[in-house]
Amino acid sequence: QAVVTQEPSLTVSPGGTVTLTCGSSTGSVTSGHYPSWFQQKPGQAPRTLIYDTSNKHSWTPARFSGSLLGGKAALTLSGAQPEDEADYYCFLSYTSTRVFGGGTRLTVL
Amino acid sequence: EVQLVESGGGLVQPGGSLRLSCAASGFRFSTSCMHWVRQVPGRGLIWVSRINADGSSLDYADSVKGRFTVSRDNAKNTLYLQMNSLRTEDTAVYYCASSRDKGFWGQGTLVTVSS
Repeated sequence: QAVVTQEPSLTVSPGGTVTLTCGSSTGSVTSGHYPSWFQQKPGQAPRTLIYDTSNKHSWTPARFSGSLLGGKAALTLSGAQPEDEADYYCFLSYTSTRVFGGGTRLTVL
Repeated sequence: EVQLVESGGGLVQPGGSLRLSCAASGFRFSTSCMHWVRQVPGRGLIWVSRINADGSSLDYADSVKGRFTVSRDNAKNTLYLQMNSLRTEDTAVYYCASSRDKGFWGQGTLVTVSS
């Protein structure tokens, strides 16, 4: 089964910009993996931020954006806010299976 | 208002069975593929299973294949997960989630497998 890799932890300053990445053990991540990104805060259910690489939901703050970058999926946060401190998970689709990354704990400090 | 409400979790002995339900409202359930995802408290998300909109296509993680069965009743707007031969490592919060383009998640139900 494929392994999806993310940075275990990242720190960003308030107002700063940070990029989280999502790689696949099978090779480059493409739009065909339909990358999605989820945010989870302590004690809460996950929330979908981005789907199909770069599409946002109505509730997704404009400061979040998704892309493909250097063979990986990427989630960029521009203008970090204290409330963005959370765990972030990427999710890739493969033939007959789906895999979450291990998650990135983002600290806004 | 969109709601996904899981139920059916609880304490079960190893080797036992449980059936989880996920009641959907506020969106077109019958046109959405659905997923089950689990999470050991304090750990990451693990994808468990997926069912397409009409129930004709099912996928499972290797760790549950042959033990878990996903199904749905579109007339009742409900998703199910039948879990058999439960193991201690199946202990987790189980979430149902809609297709990625809809992006909805339930609040989860805790399954504890322990003697």
